[in-house]
Amino acid sequence: SQKIEQNSEALNIQEGKTATLTCNYTNYSPAYLQWYRQDPGRGPVFLLLIRENEKEKRKERLKVTFDTTLKQSLFHITASQPADSATYLCASPRGDSNYQLIWGAGTKLIIKP
Amino acid sequence: KAGVTQTPRYLIKTRGQQVTLSCSPISGHRSVSWYQQTPGQGLQFLFEYFSETQRNKGNFPGRFSGRQFSNSRSEMNVSTLELGDSALYLCASSLDGTVQGYTFGSGTRLTVV
Repeated sequence: SQKIEQNSEALNIQEGKTATLTCNYTNYSPAYLQWYRQDPGRGPVFLLLIRENEKEKRKERLKVTFDTTLKQSLFHITASQPADSATYLCASPRGDSNYQLIWGAGTKLIIKP
Repeated sequence: KAGVTQTPRYLIKTRGQQVTLSCSPISGHRSVSWYQQTPGQGLQFLFEYFSETQRNKGNFPGRFSGRQFSNSRSEMNVSTLELGDSALYLCASSLDGTVQGYTFGSGTRLTVV
């Protein structure tokens, strides 16, 4: 079945360093991938979308890559700050539906001062 | 502009009861999707409505239903509640589907006792 996997273990990063989160997909080829941030008790907030024909996308301190050979997307936060601490979710449309997203379980990022 | 509004924010119900959750999308957005989020399963797609029509449905039992009104506001209903229905129910709106990225509401935290 179509699946998105993210590292379920929390990622602890020292403030100022670059945090890198991984999203792997299996059994389908998504046309695009989306990254969201979710804080406890709140809905996810859309951050970036990257299409399959784009290798890299940037927005301020955020960078996303999409490697269709490895079936993987990497999400980077440079110069990380404690305020970046949250759970980050990866999502993509199902292979047979452009209106239904498949979600990874999310990776909890903790930035330590 | 106003974001996605979900009411109520918290709800406690007893097994066997039914519940109705409400979602008001961003003005001009015609697509509304509903997701269930639990710690074990992550975000699971319930259904998506566009211009009052259910366009997609996830793999949930018939106890879960929804509708969309002419002003794009949406409701979801869960009948005969079970303990396993305890979750954060999230509503997301978008202009048309998912390409632009969803805007989520803060969710309704449903607890079934």
